[in-house]
Amino acid sequence: EAQVTQNPRYLITVTGKKLTVTCSQNMNHEYMSWYRQDPGLGLRQIYYSMNVEVTDKGDVPEGYKVSRKEKRNFPLILESPSPNQTSLYFCASSQIGNEQFFGPGTRLTVL
Amino acid sequence: SQELEQSPQSLIVQEGKNLTINCTSSKTLYGLYWYKQKYGEGLIFLMMLQKGGEEKSHEKITAKLDEKKQQSSLHITASQPSHAGIYLCGADPSGTYKYIFGTGTRLKVLA
Repeated sequence: EAQVTQNPRYLITVTGKKLTVTCSQNMNHEYMSWYRQDPGLGLRQIYYSMNVEVTDKGDVPEGYKVSRKEKRNFPLILESPSPNQTSLYFCASSQIGNEQFFGPGTRLTVL
Repeated sequence: SQELEQSPQSLIVQEGKNLTINCTSSKTLYGLYWYKQKYGEGLIFLMMLQKGGEEKSHEKITAKLDEKKQQSSLHITASQPSHAGIYLCGADPSGTYKYIFGTGTRLKVLA
């Protein structure tokens, strides 16, 4: 089954404790992206990647890192999480220029 | 910065009624995407519009992009409870695969 998977689905952590949210797709898509969704602010792009070793900032990259060492994986790293990074995070992938396939979301709470 | 404005923000309709959701941009768009989201879940792709004046339909949902490629509408005919959710428009405003999304329209359909 074609899908985008994210782990963990739910995470509660404390300020400053490094964490990684994994994202994997099995559709051989070149394009992958991370978004955060917050009430009243909608869905905002954090980082995106056009291919392996090619990443670029979206609208809200501050406090996040990403890497694209393999085509199928695009982890999101929070080196020192803060409460304002409490949000619902989505990973997505696509063929370049086509519709994106979204993962089920990761609900992160930073205390 | 580029924004997508959606209206209305929320909508409650009786089952069987028709409804329209609008998505407006201040600039010409390179591609306009419609997604549906069940509360707290991932986004599901509905339709993609790329050409001015383009119209696409799937089951009871029709999406149109105006000639200037600045406004899109999503029309649902004879709404059903299964249509309930959040509808988001997304776009690549500059052709660089850096996506933006509207804040969404919450639709509730009363049986």
